[in-house]
Amino acid sequence: EAQVTQNPRYLITVTGKKLTVTCSQNMNHEYMSWYRQDPGLGLRQIYYSMNVEVTDKGDVPEGYKVSRKEKRNFPLILESPSPNQTSLYFCASSPGTASYEQYFGPGTRLTVT
Amino acid sequence: KNEVEQSPQNLTAQEGEFITINCSYSVGISALHWLQQHPGGGIVSLFMLSSGKKKHGRLIATINIQEKHSSLHITASHPRDSAVYICAVSGTYKYIFGTGTRLKVLA
Repeated sequence: EAQVTQNPRYLITVTGKKLTVTCSQNMNHEYMSWYRQDPGLGLRQIYYSMNVEVTDKGDVPEGYKVSRKEKRNFPLILESPSPNQTSLYFCASSPGTASYEQYFGPGTRLTVT
Repeated sequence: KNEVEQSPQNLTAQEGEFITINCSYSVGISALHWLQQHPGGGIVSLFMLSSGKKKHGRLIATINIQEKHSSLHITASHPRDSAVYICAVSGTYKYIFGTGTRLKVLA
């Protein structure tokens, strides 16, 4: 089954404790992206990757890191999480550029206390 | 002013009604996307448009590039259509999203 998976689905952590949210797709997609969703603000793009070893910033990259060492995986790293990073996070992938339909992961609800 | 504006923000309809959700944008785009997010949180892509009109079942999406406007229509609405509908625009690599329209269809 074609899918994008994210882990963990729920996470409660404390300020400053490094964490990684994993994202994996099994569709051989070149483009992958991370978003956060906040009430009243909607979805906002954090980082995206056009292919292996090629990443770039979205609109809200501060406090986040990403890497793309393999085509299928695109982890999101929070080196020192803060409460303002409490949010619902989605990973997505598509075959090429942003002009293709995206496939979204199920979301990761992160709470930073 | 947001670069992608949706209206209405909230919409309640009776089963069977024809529904229209609007999206206006102020930036140059490669494509416009309509997404559906159910209460459980999962997001599904409904349409991607760069011109004209597309139809999937009871859903129709249109785009007017000159007016920078798109509409999502739902014909013969059903309670299972209750969800948040999100408009997004994309350039080559970046996405900008509207804040969504929360639709509730009553039986």
